[in-house]
Amino acid sequence: ETGVTQTPRHLVMGMTNKKSLKCEQHLGHNAMYWYKQSAKKPLELMFVYNFKEQTENNSVPSRFSPECPNSSHLFLHLHTLQPEDSALYLCASSPGQGPDTQYFGPGTRLTVL
Amino acid sequence: RKEVEQDPGPFNVPEGATVAFNCTYSNSASQSFFWYRQDCRKEPKLLMSVYSSGNEDGRFTAQLNRASQYISLLIRDSKLSDSATYLCVVNNRGDSNYQLIWGAGTKLIIKP
Repeated sequence: ETGVTQTPRHLVMGMTNKKSLKCEQHLGHNAMYWYKQSAKKPLELMFVYNFKEQTENNSVPSRFSPECPNSSHLFLHLHTLQPEDSALYLCASSPGQGPDTQYFGPGTRLTVL
Repeated sequence: RKEVEQDPGPFNVPEGATVAFNCTYSNSASQSFFWYRQDCRKEPKLLMSVYSSGNEDGRFTAQLNRASQYISLLIRDSKLSDSATYLCVVNNRGDSNYQLIWGAGTKLIIKP
């Protein structure tokens, strides 16, 4: 399935590095999301974009910086991360920001050394 | 109290058995409810929505109890391929937006 793609699939970075995660959806959806999933914890919603405008920022530290150039692409820029930021980062999209089904990408497994 | 609570399991169940698990939610104004399935090292995928009258999809039955604020998932004639983590999701309506609140998931292991 290639509805929502994410790159890279795995990323190892040091605390001083800068990297970016990329998400692309081919479903014609208008809303896109970044989630963080840590072991044995619920998915944590980080950011929501609806029609390219950020509509939610759930008190995410500034070392995570999202970018949504258009409705199909979403980036998460990372800098000076901490080891506790190691997690699976999932991108999702939905037709709108209503009670719609969310379609997830395969995620990026991030390890911060 | 967590907004959405699930028994983490794991539930170890023999193939062919029936298994049920519940999920409780704290916001009485929650409007819609879902079960997602997440296989090991994969992304979550929608299993089924949960309707007020209850709904069935093949071997899967979902129920909603608004008075007690829980939803349930029943799996009949379980298959090895049902092994996964089942995520309960509740949709709350804020001032202008909807927001999905996720449970941490219940792990199900079906044994031959």
